[in-house]
Amino acid sequence: NAGVTQTPKFRILKIGQSMTLQCTQDMNHNYMYWYRQDPGMGLKLIYYSVGAGITDKGEVPNGYNVSRSTTEDFPLRLELAAPSQTSVYFCASSYSANRGNSPLHFGNGTRLTVT
Amino acid sequence: DQQVKQNSPSLSVQEGRISILNCDYTNSMFDYFLWYKKYPAEGPTFLISISSIKDKNEDGRFTVFLNKSAKHLSLHIVPSQPGDSAVYFCAASEPGTYKYIFGTGTRLKVLA
Repeated sequence: NAGVTQTPKFRILKIGQSMTLQCTQDMNHNYMYWYRQDPGMGLKLIYYSVGAGITDKGEVPNGYNVSRSTTEDFPLRLELAAPSQTSVYFCASSYSANRGNSPLHFGNGTRLTVT
Repeated sequence: DQQVKQNSPSLSVQEGRISILNCDYTNSMFDYFLWYKKYPAEGPTFLISISSIKDKNEDGRFTVFLNKSAKHLSLHIVPSQPGDSAVYFCAASEPGTYKYIFGTGTRLKVLA
């Protein structure tokens, strides 16, 4: 049972480069999320999606874009990488909006360094 | 403004004893609270949750207590085991949204 799969695991980018962080889930979950975790900080929500074709901004969306063309996939795009985007990125999914009984399932993260 | 706070960055406990991890929040409208455990190089995994209408929820060795008047919740692990050594995140959900607000985490070390 794969759950939530993120690729790549690690990436080093130069300032101004672009990349897409991939996320796919095989649990048929409608809700998907992108978080970033900076050292000593909690997880901050970047973007989320409540279903295919529907996305919305979280707490820290600047510098990122997302799309949700299928239920399974929720890629995160960095257009012009900046050092402030150095972080660990986690993708997550959940079955429903019943937050107590439908917790988030996380991928193992992508560690991104921008230099 | 940090709405969910975990003021203890780290905690060490002897194996077999009780571990108590604390979390404070400021938004009285939060309706669900969750605890996640995170091992290095892995994503967080769900541990236990509690609705704001309850004051206690138990699952095996893990119990979460909620004190709404103090805006405080705690996770008790009894007995603590070396495999419990991890970072524990407290999270709260905003009603009417799909968002979870996470604390900064507490690193628990259970000493054998």
